Formats: sequence, structure tokens, C-alpha cells
Amino acid sequence: NAGVTQTPKFRILKIGQSMTLQCTQDMNHNYMYWYRQDPGMGLKLIYYSVGAGITDKGEVPNGYNVSRSTTEDFPLRLELAAPSQTSVYFCASSYSRAGNEQYFGPGTRLTVT
Amino acid sequence: KNEVEQSPQNLTAQEGEFITINCSYSVGISALHWLQQHPGGGIVSLFMLSSGKKKHGRLIATINIQEKHSSLHITASHPRDSAVYICAVSRSGNQFYFGTGTSLTVIP
Repeated sequence: NAGVTQTPKFRILKIGQSMTLQCTQDMNHNYMYWYRQDPGMGLKLIYYSVGAGITDKGEVPNGYNVSRSTTEDFPLRLELAAPSQTSVYFCASSYSRAGNEQYFGPGTRLTVT
Repeated sequence: KNEVEQSPQNLTAQEGEFITINCSYSVGISALHWLQQHPGGGIVSLFMLSSGKKKHGRLIATINIQEKHSSLHITASHPRDSAVYICAVSRSGNQFYFGTGTSLTVIP
């Protein structure tokens, strides 16, 4: 199993551009999450999903959108990128109920200039 | 105030030393998690516990629910243990709160 994969690994965006961060898991996990990690700060939850077709906001959802059309994929969309969205983004998944062990992807380092 | 506080923020140890990292939280939880983030950035789950103690190799995690406190111990530390250790708590309603991490450097 590949686990949780994310693409791209690195990306530089200009202010106002849009992009989609891809996340795929092959463990048949119901729960998937998007986090951002800023220097000196703990991970912050952006959006999460408890299954295909069901998504909900986390702590810091502004400026982002998600969709979950399949169990495997949970893309994160940035519209009109802003410098404040410069961060490292992690996708994670877990099986069954919330609170279970999470499996993290390798991260995407995004810079908005 | 953060829901999860870790100490120390930074820790340097000599190889072979016994290491303790502390985590305090201020909310009711369903479970507490210890994660390891390597210099390359990848995050790995080490432990998930809701009571008592768990051991995996040289790593031991304990939790005291009444005191809202957890510790991560590393016995016979090794340079390959150098990483950032993150404490996180999960709550009902899919809420996760993360500490800011403890950066550990083990010197040969």
C-alpha cells in the first residue's frame, strides 16, 4: 500500500492564482483531513470528510474548498491565493470513527508571492 | 491559550540519555496522540492512548486523565530519535488540537 499520497510536493503561486492540492489514500479509510502547518504553530484543521459526499469545515477554512467524490480522493482547492496561505499542507486519513490513529501524507510546501 | 501545551519547546540530549517530553491539555478528550515529525517533514503516528501507558520499543507514553497530562519517554536515546514530537488530542465531533511540538536533538 502506498498509504496517503500528496501532489505536488512543492509549488510557488502568484497572488490571485488558483490551484488544487491532490490527496489520495489506498487504505479504504472513511475519514480524511486537510491541515496546514505554519512555523512555530501547531497543525490547524482546514476541512475534513467523514465519507464520500460529506465534507465539513475545520478551524481555518476561509480561502479553501474541498470535495470528496470518492473514498480515495480528497482534493483541496485554493481560489485567489494570498500570501497568508503560504504554508505546508498535510493530508491525513483514519479508519472508522474520529479520534483514531491518523496516517499522514508527505506534505505540500506552498509559497504564495 | 492553546488547548494543548508542550514542554520543553527544544531539547538537546547526549546519546544514551533518558528523555521526557510533557503535554498538558485543557479540554475533555477521547484520545491523546503522540506524533513524530522528521526533519524531512513527514509525520508518523507513534501512540494513541486514552488511559494508562503504552510501550513501543524504546518509547513509552503515559497519560493521566484526571490531571490532563501525558508524557512521552525515550530510553537510551539515539541520534536517529532527533525529530519534532507533537502531542495532539482528539475530541468528539472530529475535533483535533495539536501542540506546537518539541524539537529534540540527540548528540552522538
